[in-house]
Amino acid sequence: EVQLVQSGAEVKKPGESLKISCKGSGYSFTSYWIGWVRQMPGKGLEWMGIIYPGDSDTRYSPSFQGQVTISADKSISTAYLQWSSLKASDTAMYYCARQKQQLVYDAFDIWGQGTMVTVSS
Amino acid sequence: DIQMTQSPSSLSASVGDRVTITCRASQGISNSLAWYQQKPGKAPKLLLYAASRLESGVPSRFSGSGSGTDYTLTISSLQPEDFATYYCQQYYSTPSLTFGGGTKVEIK
Repeated sequence: EVQLVQSGAEVKKPGESLKISCKGSGYSFTSYWIGWVRQMPGKGLEWMGIIYPGDSDTRYSPSFQGQVTISADKSISTAYLQWSSLKASDTAMYYCARQKQQLVYDAFDIWGQGTMVTVSS
Repeated sequence: DIQMTQSPSSLSASVGDRVTITCRASQGISNSLAWYQQKPGKAPKLLLYAASRLESGVPSRFSGSGSGTDYTLTISSLQPEDFATYYCQQYYSTPSLTFGGGTKVEIK
């Protein structure tokens, strides 16, 4: 079964760092782009960026460039989303998702279950 | 960025109704459009891609159409399990593969 399994919910303080993960299984992890999508409480979906685990080619939305880091470790089929200094406004559900085809830009056909990040003092 | 405008933002409908949701792009996106369904507390689910191609396992009551800047998701006969929020997404142009604002389909 093709699936993405994300790490568990996090509660952090402003200014702290955080790295959440997304582990792929059931397919060739290095051959499909993985993306990250933010959903703030009660709001819609926002595309953050994508990474190609085969060579770590990464593309960011301008809204998130410099605010987060997307990375991947192909040896363990895991993608990451990282913050160096969290803000309260980073409180949201974060989803990883696999692009449907081996194209640079495509729809997301497989989604992780989501990781809730809460940032509060 | 290409802006995606969905309408309506919400609608009320009854089981068996035909429902249509529209997504308009700020520029042509050459059918590079996906539709997702999201239920409360769950991850989105891909319904259609390339504007009109049904994802495997998705019921045939869901269909998509459109071209250029205007696209439509139609549910031919609304079922109880279809009450959810629906999003469109363009994947034609970067720097951001933008989603529409969502349409919440509620029970009438």
